[in-house]
Amino acid sequence: EIVLTQSPGTLSLSPGERVTLSCRASQSVSNNFLAWYQQKPGQSPRLLISGASNRATGIPDKFSGSGSGTDFTLTISRLDPEDFAVYYCQQYGSSPVTFGQGTTVEV
Amino acid sequence: QLHLQESGPGLVKPSDTLSLTCTVSGGSTTIYTSLWGWIRQSPGKGLEWIGTNHYNGHTNYHPSLKSRITMSVDTSRNQFSLKLTSVSAADTAVYFCVRRPDFYGEYYDSWGQGILVTVSS
Repeated sequence: EIVLTQSPGTLSLSPGERVTLSCRASQSVSNNFLAWYQQKPGQSPRLLISGASNRATGIPDKFSGSGSGTDFTLTISRLDPEDFAVYYCQQYGSSPVTFGQGTTVEV
Repeated sequence: QLHLQESGPGLVKPSDTLSLTCTVSGGSTTIYTSLWGWIRQSPGKGLEWIGTNHYNGHTNYHPSLKSRITMSVDTSRNQFSLKLTSVSAADTAVYFCVRRPDFYGEYYDSWGQGILVTVSS
């Protein structure tokens, strides 16, 4: 199965900053079938991006995804207070579906 | 807006069967392009995909769990369910029911709030 490694594990930032999160796959992700989710404490994950770069319905354009093959990136152009959360990547190009271990974005 | 809600016992004994139901509101389980599934989350394993199924009977299960899983969709009740047999402490997790909106891509745009299931005697 494809192992997804997210880095860094934790990011300490301030509101207004730009953040780039990395997700690296142990093998190439077919068709760039990679998704990103945001999870806040006590809540379920929320879909941000599918297909590596397609924003989900209602997701603001401050969130953007890029990458291909084994290297993918989620960028938040300007951090707002509500963006402090854990972010997960997920590949669905190969079975079984797998998730990264998450990156925590904290104040 | 689609809403998913898990229900079921929060405590299951080792070797018993875990049974969970997800009730769908604000939408129908018979949307042809939608599949319905389960994902679990535990401190040790993180997010783990369990499987998805379609109301027409098509299923897609995690290979490591396949021998223990049964999923089904009850269109008359607008619900879908998960049964996981022979549970052990390793199956303790928060279980989320989810919707896969794209017939061609296994990602999830709607999640239930999650239900904590503890396996213990």
